[in-house]
Amino acid sequence: EAGVVQSPRYKIIEKKQPVAFWCNPISGHNTLYWYRQNLGQGPELLIRYENEEAVDDSQLPKDRFSAERLKGVDSTLKIQPAELGDSAVYLCASSSGTAAGGEQFFGPGTRLTVL
Amino acid sequence: EDKVVQSPLSLVVHEGDTVTLNCSYEVTNFRSLLWYKQEKKAPTFLFMLTSSGIEKKSGRLSSILDKKELSSILNITATQTGDSAIYLCAVEALPSGNTPLVFGKGTRLSVIA
Repeated sequence: EAGVVQSPRYKIIEKKQPVAFWCNPISGHNTLYWYRQNLGQGPELLIRYENEEAVDDSQLPKDRFSAERLKGVDSTLKIQPAELGDSAVYLCASSSGTAAGGEQFFGPGTRLTVL
Repeated sequence: EDKVVQSPLSLVVHEGDTVTLNCSYEVTNFRSLLWYKQEKKAPTFLFMLTSSGIEKKSGRLSSILDKKELSSILNITATQTGDSAIYLCAVEALPSGNTPLVFGKGTRLSVIA
C-alpha cells in the first residue's frame, strides 16, 4: 500500500528565496493536512483541506505562506520569501475523513534549512 | 529501506491497567526517536529520545530508548479512559539520512471503564 508521498525530502535555501513542497496523499483520502514541526516539538497544523477546500488555515502565516490543492488530490505548500525561522520539518498527512478516531497517515516530511 | 515497526497494532485494556507499547526501527543515520499521542486534532508530542538507557517521564507516562536493540518502549501506568488514542512512534534521521522522519503505523489503545 502506497503511503503519503512528499518531495523533496531535504531542501537548503538562503533566506528571502522561495521554496515549495509537494504532497501526494493516500489514494481516496479526502482530508489533507500540512504541519510544521520544529526540533523537539510536536507538529503544528498549518492548514487542513477537505477535498479542494481549505477548511482550517487559521495558523498559516498568510503574508509569506500559501497552499493549494487543485482537484482535491495533490497539494503544494509555498513559502515566499523564506526566513531563518522557517527552518523545520514540514509534514503532510491525510485521512479518509470517515476513519474512526481521526487517524492520520503521515508522510516522511521535508526538512527545510534556511541559511 | 528505513522503517519503524510498532506493536501491538491495537490494544484494549481496563482502567487501572499498565500498558507497554513497543517501537523498533531501522533507520540510516539515527538522530532521535519521538512518541506522539494522536487524537482527533494534531498529534500531541510526548517524548523525544536521543540517548540510550535514560528514562523520560511525564506523569503516568514514561519512555526509554535502547540503541543497541534499536527499539523503544512507552509505558502508561494506571491507565484512564482519556488515554485512549493512537500512539505514534517516529524516528528522525540526520540530514545525511534517507528521510527526515519515518513513522510507524501506530498502536491504537482503547481503555475501557
